[in-house]
Amino acid sequence: DAKTTQPNSMESNEEEPVHLPCNHSTISGTDYIHWYRQLPSQGPEYVIHGLTSNVNNRMASLAIAEDRKSSTLILHRATLRDAAVYYCILRENFGNEKLTFGTGTRLTIIP
Amino acid sequence: DAGITQSPRHKVTETGTPVTLRCHQTENHRYMYWYRQDPGHGLRLIHYSYGVKDTDKGEVSDGYSVSRSKTEDFLLTLESATSSQTSVYFCAIGGTGFYEQYFGPGTRLTVT
Repeated sequence: DAKTTQPNSMESNEEEPVHLPCNHSTISGTDYIHWYRQLPSQGPEYVIHGLTSNVNNRMASLAIAEDRKSSTLILHRATLRDAAVYYCILRENFGNEKLTFGTGTRLTIIP
Repeated sequence: DAGITQSPRHKVTETGTPVTLRCHQTENHRYMYWYRQDPGHGLRLIHYSYGVKDTDKGEVSDGYSVSRSKTEDFLLTLESATSSQTSVYFCAIGGTGFYEQYFGPGTRLTVT
């Protein structure tokens, strides 16, 4: 599986935007970029995914570089509830339903 | 929230004893997964199932077996528990055409 690289930790102030980076220089043409997050003492939850174009949903936005070697998860207005570990994952599109988690980025929100 | 439950939620057992963890879903998803999570490792896939009686190994399958006799239940068995299997175990569901995986609340297993 292609590998992703994320910073171990980040901090952000409450009510400000947060940009979480992810590098995936070995991404293949069929890999989707997925983001999950894990709140304290809970299982991971899906945040967003994309292939080539930028994506928006009610939780976040995903900005994908033109060469697809990096992406950024954007939380538009961080709340204390967004404090979690965020995982950037590459997922093959053809018959492989598995997710390979790295160690993610621990996001701390400062009130 | 996806209808996925895990039982038990907490268990303490002794080395050498068999342990079975249960994952139950009410969503009729084809795929089910077992992961373990340890400090510094993120989540690692143990086994997964792509249908009734269809299972395959994941990244860390040694010491674990699974069974899926019906769509809604996926069992993870530790035939002879070891201290290295002390971990938090998460079940997840998903399926072809469903991009998301939905995770259960986890089972904290301690092997003494």
